Amino acid sequence: DAGVTQSPTHLIKTRGQQVTLRCSPKSGHDTVSWYQQALGQGPQFIFQYYEEEERQRGNFPDRFSGHQFPNYSSELNVNALLLGDSALYLCASSLFSVRQDTQYFGPGTRLTVL
Amino acid sequence: AQSVSQHNHHVILSEAASLELGCNYSYGGTVNLFWYVQYPGQHLQLLLKYFSGDPLVKGIKGFEAEFIKSKFSFNLRKPSVQWSDTAEYFCAVNEDNAGNMLTFGGGTRLMVKP
Repeated sequence: DAGVTQSPTHLIKTRGQQVTLRCSPKSGHDTVSWYQQALGQGPQFIFQYYEEEERQRGNFPDRFSGHQFPNYSSELNVNALLLGDSALYLCASSLFSVRQDTQYFGPGTRLTVL
Repeated sequence: AQSVSQHNHHVILSEAASLELGCNYSYGGTVNLFWYVQYPGQHLQLLLKYFSGDPLVKGIKGFEAEFIKSKFSFNLRKPSVQWSDTAEYFCAVNEDNAGNMLTFGGGTRLMVKP
């Protein structure tokens, strides 16, 4: 039973560039959430996707956008990168029909912006 | 917006010592409460969760947590820690009417000395 997978593992970009991070949910899950974890802090909710639509959004600017594909995998896009976007980006999956379903987290993508 | 506070950022214990990690949240409505753990080099894993019922919740690896509604607290406990419990622990809260978006505390880094 495959867990949540994310790619790439590490990424280095420069300010102003754009980045795309990818996530495949745990087998059987249909909902993907993205979190940003800055160094020394807890994860912060970015947004959640279900049925290819953004369902919830945290306090992040429009530079952060996402997409969900018919196979439930998801992408997180960040435009016009800032130094402060350097963080570990976590993907979590769950089953929408199960109220308050446990979220399973992936290993994360470490983004460094220079 | 709700917030989650973990008062201890770093805790160092010797093996067999008892553990209690504090967690307080600010939201006054119905909440669901979680403790996640991140072992070195691994992804976030669920330790235990509280939705309703008995406020004393038992999780994996001998951990338990008590929900005290009047104190807005959900402290994590373990009677006797092991070296393998060395990890970072995150408390998280979900508002009952807010999908399954999680608000995390800043984390507590636990080191258990053999």
